[in-house]
Amino acid sequence: QKEVEQDPGPLSVPEGAIVSLNCTYSNSAFQYFMWYRQYSRKGPELLMYTYSSGNKEDGRFTAQVDKSSKYISLFIRDSQPSDSATYLCAMRRTSYDKVIFGPGTSLSVIP
Amino acid sequence: DSGVTQTPKHLITATGQRVTLRCSPRSGDLSVYWYQQSLDQGLQFLIQYYNGEERAKGNILERFSAQQFPDLHSELNLSSLELGDSALYFCASSVGGSEGSYEQYFGPGTRLTVT
Repeated sequence: QKEVEQDPGPLSVPEGAIVSLNCTYSNSAFQYFMWYRQYSRKGPELLMYTYSSGNKEDGRFTAQVDKSSKYISLFIRDSQPSDSATYLCAMRRTSYDKVIFGPGTSLSVIP
Repeated sequence: DSGVTQTPKHLITATGQRVTLRCSPRSGDLSVYWYQQSLDQGLQFLIQYYNGEERAKGNILERFSAQQFPDLHSELNLSSLELGDSALYFCASSVGGSEGSYEQYFGPGTRLTVT
């Protein structure tokens, strides 16, 4: 079993839809959770960062962490074609530990 | 633009050869991380340097080595290349090291093709 699992997609949604992206993980020691966005052939870009359980909102993006279920989510409201990218969840045990990435979910937002 | 630069953008070489990938971190960042991204393995952490010293090691092969220089730029050396080494290699940088630095800024990557 991989440490971090993510549905690879592809996920295709119409413009304006609410998108839900999810990751599950097996290591209960993970405390720091991140979401990265990666456009084709570009470097990943940090979107959201959360510590421990709870929600965090930033504009159209909301990150949720449920440590009891070992499940994290990223919600994108009012999705735009420019949101079309691969979304990688990532996590680490401590603030200085190595980051473990999920395999990524490919998202297409259709105009 | 993240402020992290990587050269070259593309590299095509033959099996058995050796290549060097270069990374310049963002101004002020002391940590440099190297990652390998392939279609079947996803983004894999290779190694981290902090202010010139190796800080953490991931799934880095013995044929691979890295270093961080006094000016904080870093080089990743890949030797005895195999077809399976073909991948995107990313460098990332962050401000801190042991005190924690969750924000890693990624460079544009070097696409390595081994033929």
